[in-house]
Amino acid sequence: AQRVTQPEKLLSVFKGAPVELKCNYSYSGSPELFWYVQYSRQRLQLLLRHISRESIKGFTADLNKGETSFHLKKPFAQEEDSAMYYCALRLNSGGSNYKLTFGKGTLLTVNP
Amino acid sequence: DVKVTQSSRYLVKRTGEKVFLECVQDMDHENMFWYRQDPGLGLRLIYFSYDVKMKEKGDIPEGYSVSREKKERFSLILESASTNQTSMYLCASSLGGGSKTQYFGPGTRLLVL
Repeated sequence: AQRVTQPEKLLSVFKGAPVELKCNYSYSGSPELFWYVQYSRQRLQLLLRHISRESIKGFTADLNKGETSFHLKKPFAQEEDSAMYYCALRLNSGGSNYKLTFGKGTLLTVNP
Repeated sequence: DVKVTQSSRYLVKRTGEKVFLECVQDMDHENMFWYRQDPGLGLRLIYFSYDVKMKEKGDIPEGYSVSREKKERFSLILESASTNQTSMYLCASSLGGGSKTQYFGPGTRLLVL
């Protein structure tokens, strides 16, 4: 079965420092990977997906199939980036290809 | 702008009660989902529906059932609430097929006493 691992429950950085939120997955096929974000008192929302290859709010994430990773990176963290971040995987085949499997989340705190 | 609404933000129920959580989306989405969100456990899929009257079990369906009589509405039912069902419940919807963004509701925080 597919699995998504976010090894850090908590991550704390200072404003202006680089930040990397780790995500590893286990799946033998070709998955689609996402990052979802939940800011304080807001609903969960999509941040970015690997197929789009875009930068959102300064964040980027590259799918590394060799290392089965999809780490989220930002070169200069801002206080407004403080949030809970979830990595998610979607299978690209099979009958349940609209299901997402989420990691347990990483709470990012950016200190002033 | 996609709107997913959930009937209650906070709910307090007693053990053994039957509990209904309602979710409505206004974007004609085919897929709807129910998750529970617990600290340290992330989001876990309870049930999802890919069409009216169609449903599939997610990863943790035990103790729950669902109903989708109309395309815009997806209900989660706790047949006999238990304290271990105290949680935040999130509803989401997406267009049909794969590779579609899921849009989430604000959540219902359920406390079972």
